[in-house]
Amino acid sequence: QSVLTQPPSASGTPGQRVTISCSGSSSNIGSNTVNWYQQLPGTAPKLLIYSNNQRPSGVPDRFSGSKSGTSASLAISGLQSEDEADYYCAAWDDSLNGHDVVFGGGTKLTVL
Amino acid sequence: QVQLQESGPGLVKPSETLSLTCTVSGGSVSSGSYYWSWIRQPPGKGLEWIGYIYYSGSTNYNPSLKSRVTISVDTSKNQFSLKLSSVTAADTAVYYCAREIKGIAVAGNLNYFDYWGQGTLVTVSS
Repeated sequence: QSVLTQPPSASGTPGQRVTISCSGSSSNIGSNTVNWYQQLPGTAPKLLIYSNNQRPSGVPDRFSGSKSGTSASLAISGLQSEDEADYYCAAWDDSLNGHDVVFGGGTKLTVL
Repeated sequence: QVQLQESGPGLVKPSETLSLTCTVSGGSVSSGSYYWSWIRQPPGKGLEWIGYIYYSGSTNYNPSLKSRVTISVDTSKNQFSLKLSSVTAADTAVYYCAREIKGIAVAGNLNYFDYWGQGTLVTVSS
C-alpha cells in the first residue's frame, strides 16, 4: 500500500493528451513539492518533473505537472509511442513516524 | 556527466546482511550541494526510498527500515554504501543508488533524484 495513490493504468492513442493523477495528504503533497519519474521497461527511473511543474533540461515540453491541495497531476500531450512507460509521483513526507520520501504505486501508460 | 554504479553480491541468504556500494563518477560525494540515496524496487512493484547520507556522514532513513539500515560514505573513494541486516525474501529487489537534491522552496520542501544508477538485482534466498 503506497502512501501516494495513483491509478494503476492509463492509456491513449498517439497524439492524444493523457493525465495521471497522484493523491496524497497534508503531510506530503499538501505541504511539499511533487516530483514525477518515468521508468521505461527494464531501465532505471528518470526524473521527468520536479518542484511540481519544472522540467529538467532535455525533457520535452509535452510533459507538464501541476499541484492543487493534496493532489498532483502529470499531463502528457501529443502522446508518442515512446512514452509507453511506468510513471511514479513522489514527495517528501513529514509524518509522526519520521521524515522520508514517499512514492506513488506507479501508473503504467499504454499507447494504443 | 554524473554517473552512478551499484556493485555487490546478487544473492544473499536469509538472516544475513545485504551490502552494496555505489561508485560515483563525474561528480563528488563530498559536494555539499547533494545527498546520496538508496532506493529499491521489488520485482513487478513500485519504488521504496531506503535512506540518504550527506558527505558529513549525516543520515536519514525510511522509518520502516530504520532498525536494519546503515548507509555510510567513503569520500576518499567517492563511494557510498548500503547495509541492510536480517534480510528476508521481502528484501528481494532491484536496488538503485541516486543523487538527491534537497532544498526549501516557496511551495514547500524540495527534494528529488536527478541521477540514478542502473540498478542491481539482489535476491534473498538460501
